[in-house]
Amino acid sequence: AQSVTQLDSQVPVFEEAPVELRCNYSSSVSVYLFWYVQYPNQGLQLLLKYLSGSTLVKGINGFEAEFNKSQTSFHLRKPSVHISDTAEYFCAVSNYGGSQGNLIFGKGTKLSVKP
Amino acid sequence: DGGITQSPKYLFRKEGQNVTLSCEQNLNHDAMYWYRQDPGQGLRLIYYSQIVNDFQKGDIAEGYSVSREKKESFPLTVTSAQKNPTAFYLCASSTRGTGTGNTIYFGEGSWLTVV
Repeated sequence: AQSVTQLDSQVPVFEEAPVELRCNYSSSVSVYLFWYVQYPNQGLQLLLKYLSGSTLVKGINGFEAEFNKSQTSFHLRKPSVHISDTAEYFCAVSNYGGSQGNLIFGKGTKLSVKP
Repeated sequence: DGGITQSPKYLFRKEGQNVTLSCEQNLNHDAMYWYRQDPGQGLRLIYYSQIVNDFQKGDIAEGYSVSREKKESFPLTVTSAQKNPTAFYLCASSTRGTGTGNTIYFGEGSWLTVV
């Protein structure tokens, strides 16, 4: 079975600073990887996903993530954050060809951007 | 606009009562899901359905029930057997199951509180 670990539960950062939110996964087979964002009291919205091909994936709102198979990681980065990026971010993984309900989420990282 | 509508947004339940959360989508998606979100726990899958009149248990199905009589609708009933139902509930849908790498789209969520 696969699993996801988000290494930081909270990340405080100042506005315009760079940020990295870390995600490691465990799986014995090929995977699909996702990052979702959740603003307070709302549902989740897809930021980006990795299916295959280039290991650097660009998403919405200036975020990008890099798939590293050898380190089983999929860290999310943004070079310069804004106050509006304050939210909770979830990394998720599903197995290639796995059962149809097997998207596993990490426990989330709360990003707090301070002025 | 296309999307997923959950209702009600806030619901209070007395001990021993069953309550039903509504989820409707007009995205023409085949697959639908219910997740439960608790603070610091990420999202956990309750039930999912890939097609009308068929559904499968997720990781935490005990104390919950669902039906899928129409493609657009996937209501969740929280029964009195669910001992700790206070949580944020998220409905989601996708064109096909998550084992194919498809993006799942979320509703705005419903807060259930036991009083």
